[in-house]
Amino acid sequence: QITLKESGPALVRPAQTLTLTCTFSGFSLTTSGVGVGWIRQPPGKALEWLALIYWDDDKRYSPSLKSRLTITKDTSKNQVVLTMTNMDPVDTATYFCAHLFVMTDAFDIWGQGTMVTVSS
Amino acid sequence: DTQMTQSPSTLSASIGDRVTITCRASQSISNWLAWYQQKPGKAPKLLIYKASTLESGVPSRFSGSGSGTEFTLTISSLQPDDFATYYCQQYNSYSRTFGQGTKVEIK
Repeated sequence: QITLKESGPALVRPAQTLTLTCTFSGFSLTTSGVGVGWIRQPPGKALEWLALIYWDDDKRYSPSLKSRLTITKDTSKNQVVLTMTNMDPVDTATYFCAHLFVMTDAFDIWGQGTMVTVSS
Repeated sequence: DTQMTQSPSTLSASIGDRVTITCRASQSISNWLAWYQQKPGKAPKLLIYKASTLESGVPSRFSGSGSGTEFTLTISSLQPDDFATYYCQQYNSYSRTFGQGTKVEIK
């Protein structure tokens, strides 16, 4: 059974760097074809894809946020970490991580999400 | 960057109705399109991938069609559990984009 869980600070100050961790079980990020992505959702708004990392360490970023994002993986800990620099109140959102398999290229299993508020 | 436009934004329907949601891509994405259902306070749930393949465990009243730039999600007979917000999501040129969502409400 695949599960994912997001963790990180609930409150971040403007201009700070956000670090979120996705801890997963039931699969390995060393298995060919597997990926883990990050998606966010501001309150009452639509989903927004942020970043994706594959089993082979290939990485993809949203073009509009690429300069602020870094995604990494720690296969020994079954974790994927997303950092976002220069946080702004408009970045207030629920942040989700999700499992992906390249054959479908869809996010088939999602974490519960973690709410991050950016405020001074 | 490929933009996705969903219509309508809100849809009011009754139990048993046939419901269709449309998603248009700003450029061709072949069949690299997925549909998700999201209920308030919950994570999205994958319904369909590759435009028309039903995810395991999803009821057969859900179906998807289309290719290129125009896609549809159809619910053949709306059930109480289907009132939710639906999102399309494309994969093209190593990037991904979600549509703005369609909220299906009770009429």
